[in-house]
Amino acid sequence: DAGVTQSPTHLIKTRGQHVTLRCSPISGHKSVSWYQQVLGQGPQFIFQYYEKEERGRGNFPDRFSARQFPNYSSELNVNALLLGDSALYLCASRQEFFSYEQYFGPGTRLTVT
Amino acid sequence: GIQVEQSPPDLILQEGANSTLRCNFSDSVNNLQWFHQNPWGQLINLFYIPSGTKQNGRLSATTVATERYSLLYISSSQTTDSGVYFCAVERANAGNMLTFGGGTRLMVKP
Repeated sequence: DAGVTQSPTHLIKTRGQHVTLRCSPISGHKSVSWYQQVLGQGPQFIFQYYEKEERGRGNFPDRFSARQFPNYSSELNVNALLLGDSALYLCASRQEFFSYEQYFGPGTRLTVT
Repeated sequence: GIQVEQSPPDLILQEGANSTLRCNFSDSVNNLQWFHQNPWGQLINLFYIPSGTKQNGRLSATTVATERYSLLYISSSQTTDSGVYFCAVERANAGNMLTFGGGTRLMVKP
């Protein structure tokens, strides 16, 4: 079975631009979460979506938004990019809202210049 | 929020050596996972272990929930074990988010 997939794998953007990152969960998984990992640190939680509804939000500015589609795939959008948004963006899926083990995709490495 | 501390932050081993990585957390949790992050950034699930002991080949893990710590044991280390090991925890009614520790950076030398 395919794991969590993310696209693109790498991305270079300029300050002030907008970016959209995509994630497809493991087949049968209904919950998707997004995490940001800056160099040298552990991942930080951004959002969780379940059944197309936002169920959790981390301490990130409103420039960050996300949505989940009927097929449970998800998009993370970041507006007005800052240099500090350069990071590895990880998507994780879990089977149900209350099932606990999360599985991560390979990530999208975003560089903002 | 919950605090997660991992030790040691860095570890260098000779191939074949054993090691113990520790994860301390500041509140009760209903999920604890250990991950290995490879050089390409992929987080690989090692254990889902909110309590008790599990073993998978050369790796084993123990979580003592009442004392708020977990241990990851690596025996007979191999160069392919190199990378960063993360402990991540989740509290009930806390947005179903994983909170990660700072990681242990392991280098296994041949």
